[in-house]
Amino acid sequence: AQRVTQPEKLLSVFKGAPVELKCNYSYSGSPELFWYVQYSRQRLQLLLRHISRESIKGFTADLNKGETSFHLKKPFAQEEDSAMYYCALSGGNQGGKLIFGQGTELSVKP
Amino acid sequence: GAVVSQHPSWVICKSGTSVKIECRSLDFQATTMFWYRQFPKQSLMLMATSNEGSKATYEQGVEKDKFLINHASLTLSTLTVTSAHPEDSSFYICSARVGLGVASNTGELFFGEGSRLTVL
Repeated sequence: AQRVTQPEKLLSVFKGAPVELKCNYSYSGSPELFWYVQYSRQRLQLLLRHISRESIKGFTADLNKGETSFHLKKPFAQEEDSAMYYCALSGGNQGGKLIFGQGTELSVKP
Repeated sequence: GAVVSQHPSWVICKSGTSVKIECRSLDFQATTMFWYRQFPKQSLMLMATSNEGSKATYEQGVEKDKFLINHASLTLSTLTVTSAHPEDSSFYICSARVGLGVASNTGELFFGEGSRLTVL
C-alpha cells in the first residue's frame, strides 16, 4: 500500500534558522514525490517536485530511495514561509492521483 | 497559470438534504479531476477520481451512493452529497491536472479553493 508519513504536525523555528520538514513514503514502484504548500486562507499549490530538481523560494528536496524519504529543506527560514506543508506521492499508471501526508505546520517566528 | 474554481465556497444545509458542489477548470480542459476531503488540521483524503464521460473511481471506504460524482464535460465535475448528515460536514477540495493523458502521472495538479459543508 502506498503511504506518505510526515512525522511532525508542527515545526516552529526562528527567522534565519535552517528548516527541515520530514517526509517518508511507502510505495512498491517508482513514485513521483511532491511538496505542496498552503498559506493561510489560500488554496493548496505546488511548491516543488522531485523530477524537477529545482529550488523554489529557497526550498529544496532530494528523493532518497534508500531511505524512502523526500525531506524538504531550506537553509534560512523566513517569516513568509509560515504555512502548512504537505508531502504527496503519485504512483505510476494511477492517472496522476496524489496521496498526501498528514501535513506539517511550519511557524517561523521573528 | 491554470485555475480551478469551486462553487459554492461554503454551504450550510439541513440533515437529510442533498448538496451539490461544482468544480470547474476555467482555462484548460481536464479529462481527470480528483475530489478530496479535508478535516480540520488534517490531511487531504482522496475520495474519488472523476473521469470525463465515464464513471468515477472511488477510493476504498468511500460510499459511491453517498457521494455522487458526475464529470459531464471537460471543464466541469460535480460532487453531490446525498442525504447529508452532520458527519459529512467537512472541507471538500477538487483538483485537476493540466495536459497529459489519463495514464500519465506527470503534469501539475491545480487545486480549487475548497468548499466548506456544514450539515445541521
